[in-house]
Amino acid sequence: NAGVTQTPKFRILKIGQSMTLQCTQDMNHNYMYWYRQDPGMGLKLIYYSVGAGITDKGEVPNGYNVSRSTTEDFPLRLELAAPSQTSVYFCASSYTGTSDTQYFGPGTRLTVL
Amino acid sequence: RKEVEQDPGPFNVPEGATVAFNCTYSNSASQSFFWYRQDCRKEPKLLMSVYSSGNEDGRFTAQLNRASQYISLLIRDSKLSDSATYLCVVNVSPMRFGAGTRLTVKP
Repeated sequence: NAGVTQTPKFRILKIGQSMTLQCTQDMNHNYMYWYRQDPGMGLKLIYYSVGAGITDKGEVPNGYNVSRSTTEDFPLRLELAAPSQTSVYFCASSYTGTSDTQYFGPGTRLTVL
Repeated sequence: RKEVEQDPGPFNVPEGATVAFNCTYSNSASQSFFWYRQDCRKEPKLLMSVYSSGNEDGRFTAQLNRASQYISLLIRDSKLSDSATYLCVVNVSPMRFGAGTRLTVKP
């Protein structure tokens, strides 16, 4: 099993550009999550999904959008990139959302200049 | 008050030392607790779950105090390979991560 995969690994964007961060899991997990981690800080939840077709906002959703058309994929869309969105983005998945382990992808390092 | 608070450290300890981290949480309805480990520029990985009765995994011991709303992680006989950031995680549906405590174990 590949687990949770993310693409791209690195990306530099100009202010105002848009992009989609891809996330795929092959563990048949119901729950998927997007976090951002700023330098020296903890993980902040952006959006999460409890199953295909269902998404919900986390702590810091502004400036982002998500969709969940399949169990495997959970892309994160950045519209009108801003320097404040410079961060490392982690996707994660878990079978349930309560007492279950979250498995993380390797992250996408995004810089907005 | 933050939902999950940790001492950011850094903790610098010699090999063989015992080190303890604490984490406090604000939501008394929290049901699940975890410690994750994050190496530099890597993704977090589960270190251990924290059970009400306390639990041990080799050199690592985790404890939960619901009355005072904190969890702890004790590392005995520290190894160089234990150097990492340790994240406290509390599940208030969805999970909340602490900012992490950085540990450096030196020869």
